[in-house]
Amino acid sequence: DAMVIQNPRYQVTQFGKPVTLSCSQTLNHNVMYWYQQKSSQAPKLLFHYYDKDFNNEADTPDNFQSRRPNTSFCFLDIRSPGLGDAAMYLCATSREGYYNEQFFGPGTRLTVL
Amino acid sequence: QKEVEQDPGPLSVPEGAIVSLNCTYSNSAFQYFMWYRQYSRKGPELLMYTYSSGNKEDGRFTAQVDKSSKYISLFIRDSQPSDSATYLCALHTQGGSEKLVFGKGTKLTVNP
Repeated sequence: DAMVIQNPRYQVTQFGKPVTLSCSQTLNHNVMYWYQQKSSQAPKLLFHYYDKDFNNEADTPDNFQSRRPNTSFCFLDIRSPGLGDAAMYLCATSREGYYNEQFFGPGTRLTVL
Repeated sequence: QKEVEQDPGPLSVPEGAIVSLNCTYSNSAFQYFMWYRQYSRKGPELLMYTYSSGNKEDGRFTAQVDKSSKYISLFIRDSQPSDSATYLCALHTQGGSEKLVFGKGTKLTVNP
């Protein structure tokens, strides 16, 4: 089945220790998104790729970076995680122009100790 | 005023009840209206989408849009325990960026 896969599902890191979350998709969608979702809150868009074009949200901290080496893969790098970065990180994909239906992965729950 | 407002609940109903979930929005440029369902510790999944004002039905689910009031609703008939989840409304502007604006989500529990 075509899908969005995120690894790992659970990630524990230490305060200030860099961490990388990965996302892959078999849908061949050209748009990929990273969201941060904290408990009882709406998913907050961090950035998205439109093909290789990177689009950063104005309020995304510099601590968060992303890479998209090819259509299928996208990475979220948190350079120096703080306690406030503990959250669920969701990857999503969509096909350009298709009313923006976004397909989400299962998420990676990040814990910062 | 936030772009999208959604009562976070929680909402608890008995099995078989009719559930009404709602969002209001302020930006009249929103043209696409979606409802996502998110089970605990899972990613959201698209449940329904609508484009125009009016009702759209899919099984036990009905999505309703009132653009004049900037108000959207999701009705669940004959609710089941398996409907227990958080329901997020999501809105999109036509011809704009590829971004969705999400509501906070309403946590629903259907009790057997």
